[in-house]
Amino acid sequence: GAVVSQHPSWVICKSGTSVKIECRSLDFQATTMFWYRQFPKQSLMLMATSNEGSKATYEQGVEKDKFLINHASLTLSTLTVTSAHPEDSSFYICSAASLGSPLHFGNGTRLTVT
Amino acid sequence: SQKIEQNSEALNIQEGKTATLTCNYTNYSPAYLQWYRQDPGRGPVFLLLIRENEKEKRKERLKVTFDTTLKQSLFHITASQPADSATYLCALDPVSLDSSASKIIFGSGTRLSIRP
Repeated sequence: GAVVSQHPSWVICKSGTSVKIECRSLDFQATTMFWYRQFPKQSLMLMATSNEGSKATYEQGVEKDKFLINHASLTLSTLTVTSAHPEDSSFYICSAASLGSPLHFGNGTRLTVT
Repeated sequence: SQKIEQNSEALNIQEGKTATLTCNYTNYSPAYLQWYRQDPGRGPVFLLLIRENEKEKRKERLKVTFDTTLKQSLFHITASQPADSATYLCALDPVSLDSSASKIIFGSGTRLSIRP
């Protein structure tokens, strides 16, 4: 079945630094990738929708200058959390979609900002 | 306002019984609804999709119903096993008419625990 690889699986960084998270679709071309954030015991909150070769569409309340999304190819999207602060600590999950199929999710990245 | 609600935050049942999880939505008219399983520290895994013109969908021990009049979907696991313990999420696409590359909105999830 379709596999989405997300890297790193966890990261600890200092406040003020930037962190990049990669999301790759390994055996299919993803026309669209989605980035979610999940706080403990809460559901996934959609942050942004990313289409290859175009600017990401951000959900209301998500700062596009803080969460930079790049979707350079049909198999790779990256999320960069810039100038991270402790309140950005969360579980970030990407998903990828190809035409006619449900979403395939990565295994998430646990970000801890100290 | 638009909402997707899974009315049980947690559900504990005895092994072998049928687990029934509920998903209700308001102010949406989705063309389809999906159910996912999420284990701790992992991404969700797709289980089933049911379209608005389908009343029921089955996959092995799983069964999903979709009542567009009640705006409700029920998710059943028959002959439940401890390995079924996980969080189950319902999800819908508020916009598209098909399941291709669409934005998905998730419910808050139900944490299911099956005790031996």
